[in-house]
Amino acid sequence: QVHLQESGPGLVKPSETLSLTCTVSGGSITNYYWSWIRQAPGKGLEWIGYIYYSGTTNYNPSLKSRVTISVDLSKNQFSLRLRSVTAADTAVYYCSRTLNDGNSDYWGQGTLVTVSS
Amino acid sequence: DIVMTQSALSLPVTPGEPASISCRSSQSLLHSNGYDYLDWHLQKPGQSPQLLIYLGSNRAPGVPDRFSGSGSGTDFTLKISRVEAEDVGVYYCMQTLQIPYTFGQGTKLEIK
Repeated sequence: QVHLQESGPGLVKPSETLSLTCTVSGGSITNYYWSWIRQAPGKGLEWIGYIYYSGTTNYNPSLKSRVTISVDLSKNQFSLRLRSVTAADTAVYYCSRTLNDGNSDYWGQGTLVTVSS
Repeated sequence: DIVMTQSALSLPVTPGEPASISCRSSQSLLHSNGYDYLDWHLQKPGQSPQLLIYLGSNRAPGVPDRFSGSGSGTDFTLKISRVEAEDVGVYYCMQTLQIPYTFGQGTKLEIK
């Protein structure tokens, strides 16, 4: 059974960089896409972007200028960096495994990141 | 961006009764390969979303057969043949045809 676990700081100051890591266990990170999706408090879901195990990425244009997703095959992990954060970036951040047709079949439990001074 | 619209924000249902949730997309989700790139996810209270239906009508592994997806093009429906108490939560449709992937605003299924 594939398991995903997000980790990283729960509090980030405005204008700084949000950094999260997703650790994949129970399966290899190779041959799949891996996504980040977020959910602001009380709101719906927003797709941030994905990375293929080879390193190819695709981002939501609304966040593209501030987002970088990377992968570390040796650690079976992938990561999210979101620069110049504001309060609007406060959300639960989920990582997921994404299949070729785009559907996310496994999700992490999510981690709340609050942007505040 | 493709806009996904779920017509009902809330859906009260009596256990044992059927339920139907609608989702409409601003553009056709039908790929040239014949599949509709439309998924349904359920977010149970306090949990992360879980995949129910992919490519419009395919149940994900482990999903009970009381859940079914239908529709094509721009209009889609998730049906639950007999609602159970464990089905409560927010149901989201999601399109994966075009970047950025986008979600509907969610339909909250509640037990009467």
